[in-house]
Amino acid sequence: AQKITQTQPGMFVQEKEAVTLDCTYDTSDPSYGLFWYKQPSSGEMIFLIYQGSYDQQNATEGRYSLNFQKARKSANLVISASQLGDSAMYFCAMREGTTSGTYKYIFGTGTRLKVLA
Amino acid sequence: SQTIHQWPATLVQPVGSPLSLECTVEGTSNPNLYWYRQAAGRGLQLLFYSVGIGQISSEVPQNLSASRPQDRQFILSSKKLLLSDSGFYLCACTPSGGGRWSTEAFFGQGTRLTVV
Repeated sequence: AQKITQTQPGMFVQEKEAVTLDCTYDTSDPSYGLFWYKQPSSGEMIFLIYQGSYDQQNATEGRYSLNFQKARKSANLVISASQLGDSAMYFCAMREGTTSGTYKYIFGTGTRLKVLA
Repeated sequence: SQTIHQWPATLVQPVGSPLSLECTVEGTSNPNLYWYRQAAGRGLQLLFYSVGIGQISSEVPQNLSASRPQDRQFILSSKKLLLSDSGFYLCACTPSGGGRWSTEAFFGQGTRLTVV
């Protein structure tokens, strides 16, 4: 079963509008971390925002906010006031423990966002 | 702060040829290291991770192998490449022990491999 599901392969948004990118996750661990990354066409992975499973408040970082609904196991990324430079691939990821005592990061299939002028 | 070096940036290899991709890390000791593959238009698939020298965990059975001969060196290899090995390979690291729950994975610039 998919641990991280991103159901929107592609999204369009008008410049200066807000957009929500969906992410749902599956885990039975009480402790986990959720991350969003941006991947421009250059291929680099840029960390955007983090949400911890025990965090009471939704995370925010500038124009990025995370709509965390723990009971629904969803961690949607909201980008406010979209800019042309926001056009990129966006990945949701979950950090989970391993049997060897370390951590690994599981990624979704991504959402390609195109901002229209 | 940590820096990840990956080379080469792009690579075109014939089917059946060997492969060696190298990843080195600066600015941290005993990091956790990860190899991911991204097929064209797809998500990131975790291939291998390592918590120390000689310690490799494989996530999926495949035509690839990984080695960690030194603390901050992580190598991805294949004896005979397949067409399906084409993709964008990314090396990532976290601090020793994985850091805190809020610690993000830090990525290198990636290697774009095309098998022809």
